[in-house]
Amino acid sequence: DGGITQSPKYLFRKEGQNVTLSCEQNLNHDAMYWYRQDPGQGLRLIYYSQIVNDFQKGDIAEGYSVSREKKESFPLTVTSAQKNPTAFYLCASSPLSDRDYGYTFGSGTRLTVV
Amino acid sequence: GQSLEQPSEVTAVEGAIVQINCTYQTSGFYGLSWYQQHDGGAPTFLSYNALDGLEETGRFSSFLSRSDSYGYLLLQELQMKDSASYFCAVKNEGKLIFGQGTELSVKP
Repeated sequence: DGGITQSPKYLFRKEGQNVTLSCEQNLNHDAMYWYRQDPGQGLRLIYYSQIVNDFQKGDIAEGYSVSREKKESFPLTVTSAQKNPTAFYLCASSPLSDRDYGYTFGSGTRLTVV
Repeated sequence: GQSLEQPSEVTAVEGAIVQINCTYQTSGFYGLSWYQQHDGGAPTFLSYNALDGLEETGRFSSFLSRSDSYGYLLLQELQMKDSASYFCAVKNEGKLIFGQGTELSVKP
């Protein structure tokens, strides 16, 4: 079955550490996205990519970095520069289009700073 | 910039009908989407309206008025499992921008 796999499901980060969240899709989608969700809040866009080796900043890119070396993979690194990283991180993918055919989301990674 | 406004919470009883409104301000509008998210889970796609009017999918319907920059999600014959957060979203420059979400509580 096609889908998106995010790992790990839970992640704990110490102060000053970089951590990387994995996102893999086998839907053959060109576009991939990373969103952050805080309790009781909407989804805020961190980074997105429409093609391999290219990506754009979203609304809250500071303190995060990404890469898109393969179509299937879009890992997110939360750097030590991100001062408040505790949140629920969601990866999504979609076909490239101006209309919305429906994003497919992964099950998320819950990151906590300890 | 883009902004979407929707109520933060709505409460209804089982079997009832509820409407969740969304107003938006965006440049380059292509359509309005709705997503459902159960607590702790991933959002799932419900509907997309590119043109004015009502689209029906089972118990859920979605409406769009482009001239009013307004849409709504209508849920009929509410069930307990419909308790979730509902997000409206617009696509802009290749990416979806989401509203803050409406938490729907369905009571027995």
